[in-house]
Amino acid sequence: GDSVTQMEGPVTLSEEAFLTINCTYTATGYPSLFWYVQYPGEGLQLLLKATKADDKGSNKGFEATYRKETTSFHLEKGSVQVSDSAVYFCALAGGGSNYKLTFGKGTLLTVNP
Amino acid sequence: GAGVSQSPSNKVTEKGKDVELRCDPISGHTALYWYRQRLGQGLEFLIYFQGNSAPDKSGLPSDRFSAERTGESVSTLTIQRTQQEDSAVYLCASSGGGSSYEQYFGPGTRLTVT
Repeated sequence: GDSVTQMEGPVTLSEEAFLTINCTYTATGYPSLFWYVQYPGEGLQLLLKATKADDKGSNKGFEATYRKETTSFHLEKGSVQVSDSAVYFCALAGGGSNYKLTFGKGTLLTVNP
Repeated sequence: GAGVSQSPSNKVTEKGKDVELRCDPISGHTALYWYRQRLGQGLEFLIYFQGNSAPDKSGLPSDRFSAERTGESVSTLTIQRTQQEDSAVYLCASSGGGSSYEQYFGPGTRLTVT
């Protein structure tokens, strides 16, 4: 079945550092890819998405590019802020999973001032 | 507009009791999903409703779990004879359905079974 593997945390960075959280997937067909974020004490929010190969999703300074050849959707941000501290989940839908989201286990990011 | 709402936000129950969790999706969203998030884990799919179609129950972990949805509105997830391993955050999400895979999540219900 479909699956998502993302780098294990926790990840701790200083403010203004560069962030990469790796995500790779296994799926049949052509899934849509997502990054969700869960801030402390809050619900899960969609951060960005890409629906086909080579698409780049972006939001709040975060970017991720759908790479079909490497089955990857790595999350990047050039300069993190303390307010970016959260748990980040990579997910896919479509392909073999059809409508339901298949999630990675999440990566806890802590940004220190 | 209003987002997805869930109630209660927290529920503590004794092992063996039944619990009911409620989800109000975004108005007009035809698809509704339930997920479970155990501590330190990703989200696990439980069940999916799409309009009047038969629900996809393939993610329900046992026959103690069931869910209903009235038309395209409220859904309830029922766990019978709760066990300690049922302790988790139960998340509900809704979407426009069809090929729109973008799902909007509620704040979740934190269930603790003692």
